[in-house]
Amino acid sequence: NAGVMQNPRHLVRRRGQEARLRCSPMKGHSHVYWYRQLPEEGLKFMVYLQKENIIDESGMPKERFSAEFPKEGPSILRIQQVVRGDSAAYFCASSPRAGDSVNSPLHFGNGTRLTVT
Amino acid sequence: AQSVTQPDIHITVSEGASLELRCNYSYGATPYLFWYVQSPGQGLQLLLKYFSGDTLVQGIKGFEAEFKRSQSSFNLRKPSVHWSDAAEYFCAVGGGSQGNLIFGKGTKLSVKP
Repeated sequence: NAGVMQNPRHLVRRRGQEARLRCSPMKGHSHVYWYRQLPEEGLKFMVYLQKENIIDESGMPKERFSAEFPKEGPSILRIQQVVRGDSAAYFCASSPRAGDSVNSPLHFGNGTRLTVT
Repeated sequence: AQSVTQPDIHITVSEGASLELRCNYSYGATPYLFWYVQSPGQGLQLLLKYFSGDTLVQGIKGFEAEFKRSQSSFNLRKPSVHWSDAAEYFCAVGGGSQGNLIFGKGTKLSVKP
């Protein structure tokens, strides 16, 4: 019974490169959330997606960041032209039903640690 | 504004001693409250949650938490800490229709032998 799978676990990029982070939700889950954890900080919400739809991207930086959750395949968080400030742990979480944290608490993956050099 | 405050950045307790981690929240509506634990290099594991009803909730690994509306608090407790409890603990509040959670900055727990 696989949990939320994220890859890669660690990703190193030079400034200006692109970073692509992947998240496969738990089986049966069609709702995905991305969070970012900066050093010494808690997790900050970035974006909430359902299959083929972005529901809430209020926490996503307006530039360079994008997310998708296609009909087939994992959810992708894409960061273009990375800068040192993008270095963080990026966590994906999934739930089986529409955004109701009461009945479907979020299940988190182990995260992708992005380092920008 | 909605927020979660965990006043203690780092706590050290002796193995076998009791533990209480503090959490205060600010939330406009009825809060749903959560405690998660994060071991180094790992994701977050849900310890317990409070939605309504009995204000003392039991979680996994022997943890419990008490919701006190008058104090806007949801403190996590364990009567006897084990060395394997060393980790970082996050309090979170939710309740919006989107299921988004607002997290505190975390409390790192160290356990002395």
